[in-house]
Amino acid sequence: GAVVSQHPSWVICKSGTSVKIECRSLDFQATTMFWYRQFPKQSLMLMATSNEGSKATYEQGVEKDKFLINHASLTLSTLTVTSAHPEDSSFYICSATDRVSYEKLFFGSGTQLSVL
Amino acid sequence: QKEVEQNSGPLSVPEGAIASLNCTYSDRGSQSFFWYRQYSGKSPELIMSIYSNGDKEDGRFTAQLNKASQYVSLLIRDSQPSDSATYLCAWGTGGFKTIFGAGTRLFVKA
Repeated sequence: GAVVSQHPSWVICKSGTSVKIECRSLDFQATTMFWYRQFPKQSLMLMATSNEGSKATYEQGVEKDKFLINHASLTLSTLTVTSAHPEDSSFYICSATDRVSYEKLFFGSGTQLSVL
Repeated sequence: QKEVEQNSGPLSVPEGAIASLNCTYSDRGSQSFFWYRQYSGKSPELIMSIYSNGDKEDGRFTAQLNKASQYVSLLIRDSQPSDSATYLCAWGTGGFKTIFGAGTRLFVKA
């Protein structure tokens, strides 16, 4: 099956710093990538959808200036949490689709962010 | 409001039993449905996808879809302790956006 690589797996940072999370599709071209956030014992909450070469579409309530998403190629998308605060601590997961597996999502392994 | 509703559980079954997970959805136009399994601290993995009414079987897993009643279910036969996880149902909106339910926690007792 399709493989999505996400790095780092976990990160601890100080409040006010920025953190970048990478999501790569290793064996397919990801036309669309999604970024989710998940708090403990809650479901996945979609933050934004990004298509290669275009601006990301953010869900209602998600600050686009705080969560910067770049999808510069068909295999790489990045999420940057700018000026992170303790309330941004969460499990961030990317997923991707290709032109073949319509609507099936292939997930990265997730990034646990802890902001001190 | 497009929603997926699941019983959050926990659902506890003995080893070897059948675990039955259910999900209802609100959008009659939905065409694609999925079940994902998520272990604690891990990202979800796709178990089943189903697109038409009826049953779809894959090993110990059977997905059932009833579009008229707007529900989709997942049966796990011969449940194993390794099946203990949170199961997320999801449906595709047709625009590459997937809506997830809150998930049902399943515990399989050895």
